Amino acid sequence: EAQVTQNPRYLITVTGKKLTVTCSQNMNHEYMSWYRQDPGLGLRQIYYSMNVEVTDKGDVPEGYKVSRKEKRNFPLILESPSPNQTSLYFCASKIAGGTFSYNSPLHFGNGTRLTVT
Amino acid sequence: AQSVTQLGSHVSVSEGALVLLRCNYSSSVPPYLFWYVQYPNQGLQLLLKYTSAATLVKGINGFEAEFKKSETSFHLTKPSAHMSDAAEYFCAVSFPPSGSARQLTFGSGTQLTVLP
Repeated sequence: EAQVTQNPRYLITVTGKKLTVTCSQNMNHEYMSWYRQDPGLGLRQIYYSMNVEVTDKGDVPEGYKVSRKEKRNFPLILESPSPNQTSLYFCASKIAGGTFSYNSPLHFGNGTRLTVT
Repeated sequence: AQSVTQLGSHVSVSEGALVLLRCNYSSSVPPYLFWYVQYPNQGLQLLLKYTSAATLVKGINGFEAEFKKSETSFHLTKPSAHMSDAAEYFCAVSFPPSGSARQLTFGSGTQLTVLP
């Protein structure tokens, strides 16, 4: 089954304790992206990757890191989490490259609800 | 600047009534437009997309949307709401090759409540 898998689904941590949220897709998509969803703000892009070893900042990258060493994986790293990073996080992937990539839809994971105390 | 705006963060309708969720975009080039739905505790799913083949686009679960270039709009409609339609709906826009490499920009979302 084609899917984007995020882990964990729920995570409670304390300020300053490094954490990683994993994301994996089995559709051979070039493009992957992380979003955070907050009430009233919709989805805001954190980082995205057009392909292996190619990453770029989205709208709200501060406090986050990503890496893309393999095509299928795109982990989100919080080196020193703070309470303002409490949010619902989504990983997504899609085809990229070529004219038709612009009308290909994003495939989303089920989300990771992070609480930082 | 290229952007997408959803008017109304919350919309309530009675079961069986018309659903209308509004989306407007700002762009100097013809965009590709999408509607996504998010059910509670789930990720977003694609409802429908406009890619310039036809201005009236039909999606899943009886939803449709019409692209109106003169109004820069892509409103989502459904003739008769069901309780199962209660969810959050996101409009998203992608700008062809001259646009952003980020691929998609999302609106702020509209929470649809269906009243019995």
